Amino acid sequence: GDSVTQMEGPVTLSEEAFLTINCTYTATGYPSLFWYVQYPGEGLQLLLKATKADDKGSNKGFEATYRKETTSFHLEKGSVQVSDSAVYFCALSDQDAGANSKLTFGKGITLSVRP
Amino acid sequence: KAGVTQTPRYLIKTRGQQVTLSCSPISGHRSVSWYQQTPGQGLQFLFEYFSETQRNKGNFPGRFSGRQFSNSRSEMNVSTLELGDSALYLCASSLVAGITGELFFGEGSRLTVL
Repeated sequence: GDSVTQMEGPVTLSEEAFLTINCTYTATGYPSLFWYVQYPGEGLQLLLKATKADDKGSNKGFEATYRKETTSFHLEKGSVQVSDSAVYFCALSDQDAGANSKLTFGKGITLSVRP
Repeated sequence: KAGVTQTPRYLIKTRGQQVTLSCSPISGHRSVSWYQQTPGQGLQFLFEYFSETQRNKGNFPGRFSGRQFSNSRSEMNVSTLELGDSALYLCASSLVAGITGELFFGEGSRLTVL
């Protein structure tokens, strides 16, 4: 079945540091890939997405590129801010399965950014 | 535009009881899905409803059920509660057509089973 593997956390960085959060996936079809973010006390929000190989999703300074050859979708940001402190989830939606709303999530990783 | 609304936000039950959680999707969204979030298992898909019909179901026992009403509001029910059912239950809505996987989540209902 489909699965998403994220790097172990938590991650603590100083403000303005470079961020990489690794994500790899296994899927039977041609998945769309997503990063969701959960700020303290809030619901999950879509951060960015990519629907086919080599697509780059970007939002709020975050970027991730859909790499089919390495089955990866790593999240990067050049300079993190304290306000980026949150839990980040990598997820996939297998379009071939015809289940538009079924997402398979990674375990999530907590990012803390120090001033 | 109002977001996804879940009620109640917090509740405490005892083993053997049953619970009903409610979800009101974003206006115009016709698909509602439910996820269980626990520290050990992470986010797991429960089921999805569209136009009052269950379209997809995750690997949960039959004690977990749901339904959707004609106004797209949804409820999920857990019967014969077990300690392991303690979790944050998240509801998400989507437009479905042409948007794959772009879900809008509520803040969740946190269930504690004692």
